[in-house]
Amino acid sequence: AQTVTQSQPEMSVQEAETVTLSCTYDTSESDYYLFWYKQPPSRQMILVIRQEAYKQQNATENRFSVNFQKAAKSFSLKISDSQLGDAAMYFCAYGPFGNEKLTFGTGTRLTIIP
Amino acid sequence: GAVVSQHPSWVICKSGTSVKIECRSLDFQATTMFWYRQFPKQSLMLMATSNEGSKATYEQGVEKDKFLINHASLTLSTLTVTSAHPEDSSFYICSARGGGRTGELFFGEGSRLTVL
Repeated sequence: AQTVTQSQPEMSVQEAETVTLSCTYDTSESDYYLFWYKQPPSRQMILVIRQEAYKQQNATENRFSVNFQKAAKSFSLKISDSQLGDAAMYFCAYGPFGNEKLTFGTGTRLTIIP
Repeated sequence: GAVVSQHPSWVICKSGTSVKIECRSLDFQATTMFWYRQFPKQSLMLMATSNEGSKATYEQGVEKDKFLINHASLTLSTLTVTSAHPEDSSFYICSARGGGRTGELFFGEGSRLTVL
């Protein structure tokens, strides 16, 4: 079974600074997807960034980028120029190739300090 | 992006009653939807996969008679918590594939159930 581990229950960062959230996962598959989702106080999950395992290039979405290390099964999220609106719970998720049954990590609560 | 809506967003009921939660894909058709349960300050746990026109597939440990799922149309899936008890109190979230990139899901706003 796949597992996703987020070892940082809480993180904080000064506004405009950069923060990195960690995620490791375990799978025996070679093709899969990895995601970072954001859950703000409104509770609706929002996709932040997505990575296909077969792609070596790290995904980027504006201020959000990932460091995908397939051999190490590591998938960290870097948020640059942190903004107050980035404050939320961030969940790392694993998705097997061919279906959308996601396995979520336990989440990291990110606080932005003004 | 695609929009998924849940209703109600918050429901309080007495122990022993049944509660229905709706999940709708507003601007796309979803042959498959997923139901998750989230306890306070915890992660999302997949409960079941809802398939349009067929029976739902439940994850191990989830009581199918307790959590009834119906996916009668391509835009609507319902979760009915039958004979609810206080331990069923939780945040229930649905998701659906938005027809875009493979593996990308869109989530509803969630429904908070409180059983007294």
